[in-house]
Amino acid sequence: AQSVSQHNHHVILSEAASLELGCNYSYGGTVNLFWYVQYPGQHLQLLLKYFSGDPLVKGIKGFEAEFIKSKFSFNLRKPSVQWSDTAEYFCAVNNNAGNMLTFGGGTRLMVKP
Amino acid sequence: DAGVIQSPRHEVTEMGQEVTLRCKPISGHNSLFWYRQTMMRGLELLIYFNNNVPIDDSGMPEDRFSAKMPNASFSTLKIQPSEPRDSAVYFCASSLSQGTAQYFGPGTRLTVT
Repeated sequence: AQSVSQHNHHVILSEAASLELGCNYSYGGTVNLFWYVQYPGQHLQLLLKYFSGDPLVKGIKGFEAEFIKSKFSFNLRKPSVQWSDTAEYFCAVNNNAGNMLTFGGGTRLMVKP
Repeated sequence: DAGVIQSPRHEVTEMGQEVTLRCKPISGHNSLFWYRQTMMRGLELLIYFNNNVPIDDSGMPEDRFSAKMPNASFSTLKIQPSEPRDSAVYFCASSLSQGTAQYFGPGTRLTVT
């Protein structure tokens, strides 16, 4: 069974700091990869996705993620965070053989103004 | 597109009562998912449907939970009888096809007293 690990459970940053959230998965075959964001009191929203092609994926709100197949990783980055980026971030993986997404445990990001 | 629609947005009920949560997926999406989110257990997949057929219900906690999808534009999740430990936010999500991104509804916040 595939699994997704997000090692950072809580991250606190000051505004303008750079962000990198780790995501590792355990499936060896072809995968589709996703990052979702959940703002306080809201539902999960898709930030970006990777299916194939350029391993550096650009998403909304200045986020990007890089797929490194050899490391089974799909880390999320943003060069300069804003207070409004305070949210919980979920990495998810689909093994392209079914419909289910396997979600990581989430990383809570707090950005101090 | 209106996105995934869920109702009610909030539900407060007493232990032992029947609760019915409703979901309308995005038009044209073939797959529908029910999730539950709590602070203790995070995001859990309860059941998903593909072309209105239940594919995997292994996440349904017990027989008190049931889900139906009578047609492509409507699904229900029923809890009978409800218990305080069922209190959570229940999300419905839909996706266009196998392996593609899931889009989440606003959720139903259920409180069982």
